[in-house]
Amino acid sequence: GQQVMQIPQYQHVQEGEDFTTYCNSSTTLSNIQWYKQRPGGHPVFLIQLVKSGEVKKQKRLTFQFGEAKKNSSLHITATQTTDVGTYFCAGQNDMRFGAGTRLTVKP
Amino acid sequence: GAVVSQHPSWVICKSGTSVKIECRSLDFQATTMFWYRQFPKQSLMLMATSNEGSKATYEQGVEKDKFLINHASLTLSTLTVTSAHPEDSSFYICSARAGAFNYGYTFGSGTRLTVV
Repeated sequence: GQQVMQIPQYQHVQEGEDFTTYCNSSTTLSNIQWYKQRPGGHPVFLIQLVKSGEVKKQKRLTFQFGEAKKNSSLHITATQTTDVGTYFCAGQNDMRFGAGTRLTVKP
Repeated sequence: GAVVSQHPSWVICKSGTSVKIECRSLDFQATTMFWYRQFPKQSLMLMATSNEGSKATYEQGVEKDKFLINHASLTLSTLTVTSAHPEDSSFYICSARAGAFNYGYTFGSGTRLTVV
């Protein structure tokens, strides 16, 4: 079945630094979704990418979907302490999640 | 926006007893719900897909007789952990999609189960 790999597993940054997490699928995805889970909380939907090569922005967050629709990335510009949490990608095909990237931000 | 209400938020039970977790879609109908299990600092592991009016689809390695799923209505899905053991202690969470194709999935707030 579909498997979504996500790297890195952990990322610790200084506040103001940029952050990127990557998702790679072994199969072509119909679309990909990104979620954020704050410590102790539940995942919250961020965005869905559908089109090949699609790029979407939400303030300091930039989401990309690869041309082959097998990989995706989430980039945060100038991280803030409010960005702390685990970021997951999920292939729409069957809603299996990547391992997640745990982001910590040092003030 | 779409809300999925999950209860209880936490539960402690004795080994050998059963625990029922409920997920309700409050302002939309959910023909499909997903049940996940999450260990500390790990990803969400899909356990099963709950389908209204039919049998749930379980992921490989998930015991269907141990984790009973019932999706009897368009707004309610339940997960019952039967004969719970300490190794079943975990965070269980459900999700459903409120609307059309471009909607994300809404998650319940999760249930932290501790089996003693």
